Amino acid sequence: EVQLLESGGGLVQPGESLRLSCAASGFTFSSYSMTWVRQAPGKGLEWVSVISGGSKSTYYADSVKGRFTISRDNSRNTLYLQMNSLRAEDTALYYCAKLRPGNSPFDYWGQGTLVTVSS
Amino acid sequence: DIQMTQSPSTLSASVGDRVTITCRASQSISSWLAWYQQKPGKAPSLLIYKASSLESGVPSRFSGSGSGTEFTLTISSLQPDDFATYYCQQYNGYSTWTFGQGTKVEIK
Repeated sequence: EVQLLESGGGLVQPGESLRLSCAASGFTFSSYSMTWVRQAPGKGLEWVSVISGGSKSTYYADSVKGRFTISRDNSRNTLYLQMNSLRAEDTALYYCAKLRPGNSPFDYWGQGTLVTVSS
Repeated sequence: DIQMTQSPSTLSASVGDRVTITCRASQSISSWLAWYQQKPGKAPSLLIYKASSLESGVPSRFSGSGSGTEFTLTISSLQPDDFATYYCQQYNGYSTWTFGQGTKVEIK
């Protein structure tokens, strides 16, 4: 059974940093691209970033480019999102999700970790 | 960037109704479109991929159609478990994935 468990969320002040983690199990982690999606309170879904299975390719939404870095440790079956220079508008529930090979939607999702950016 | 526009934003319907939600892309995305269902306090779940392919385990009352820039999600007979918010998503392979703004299906 595929399981994705996010952690690392919390309350931070504007300009501070935070690193999110997503522990994966139930599939061959290194074979699949992974992604982060966020949802501001009461709002819709926003794709944030994606990383290929071997970490060769990474892509970012314009809203986070230059501030967020996606990475993964395939030996630990863990996905990361390093978030720097956080802003109030980054406040959201952050989900990690798995992709299928090739051109793919997101077929499995974690339950999310909440990031609140406020002074 | 490809923009996705869903309509309506909110839909009021009764159990047993046939429900249709529309999603339009700002440029052609072929059939690279997915639909998700999200219930309050839960993560989204994949319903439909490649515009019309039903994800494993999803009830057959859900169906998707369309290609190019116009797509629909249809629920043939709305069930109590279907009251939720639905999102379309394009995954056209240009290294970005875009969601529609969502359609909330409410009890009439």
